[in-house]
Amino acid sequence: NAGVTQTPKFQVLKTGQSMTLQCAQDMNHEYMSWYRQDPGMGLRLIHYSVGAGITDQGEVPNGYNVSRSTTEDFPLRLLSAAPSQTSVYFCASSYSREEKLFFGSGTQLSVL
Amino acid sequence: GENVEQHPSTLSVQEGDSAVIKCTYSDSASNYFPWYKQELGKRPQLIIDIRSNVGEKKDQRIAVTLNKTAKHFSLHITETQPEDSAVYFCALRSTGFQKLVFGTGTRLLVSP
Repeated sequence: NAGVTQTPKFQVLKTGQSMTLQCAQDMNHEYMSWYRQDPGMGLRLIHYSVGAGITDQGEVPNGYNVSRSTTEDFPLRLLSAAPSQTSVYFCASSYSREEKLFFGSGTQLSVL
Repeated sequence: GENVEQHPSTLSVQEGDSAVIKCTYSDSASNYFPWYKQELGKRPQLIIDIRSNVGEKKDQRIAVTLNKTAKHFSLHITETQPEDSAVYFCALRSTGFQKLVFGTGTRLLVSP
């Protein structure tokens, strides 16, 4: 049981490049979400999903896309990277919306 | 929608002292209030949570209190130890909303 697995751990992009952050969980959790963490701003929700085929926007969705084709995977796509997207990204999942969130180990992204 | 304010942003205490972190919210429909601890370079982890039908919950040296009338909830850590040093985040979820919104975090430093 690996829990929530995020890849890559570190990534450097140039402005305008696109990439996908991968997130997978093996706990059969219905709820999955992506957060970004910036100094002094806490954890801000980007997108979330309550099940396969269902996604919705969080607080800061602009510049990001998500999809949920399976229960296990919830990738986050950066369409055209900008320096403002430099951050630490966490994927998290839970069995239901009122159960505790399990976080991945995070991805540190730098956009130059 | 949900909004949560967390204070203080930093808190320094001596080992053995108590620490209190407070969060206030505006949405009276909020019904789930977890607290997460994040050690340096690590992922956030749930340490305690409370639901709106309960006023207080304890787990060893940690307790959470909820005042629904005043719309605030607090984390209490007694007999603090150096290993309690971390960033603590409050969070909340409202009835009918699928997303968990976090506070901006409190950096707790416990000095030996």
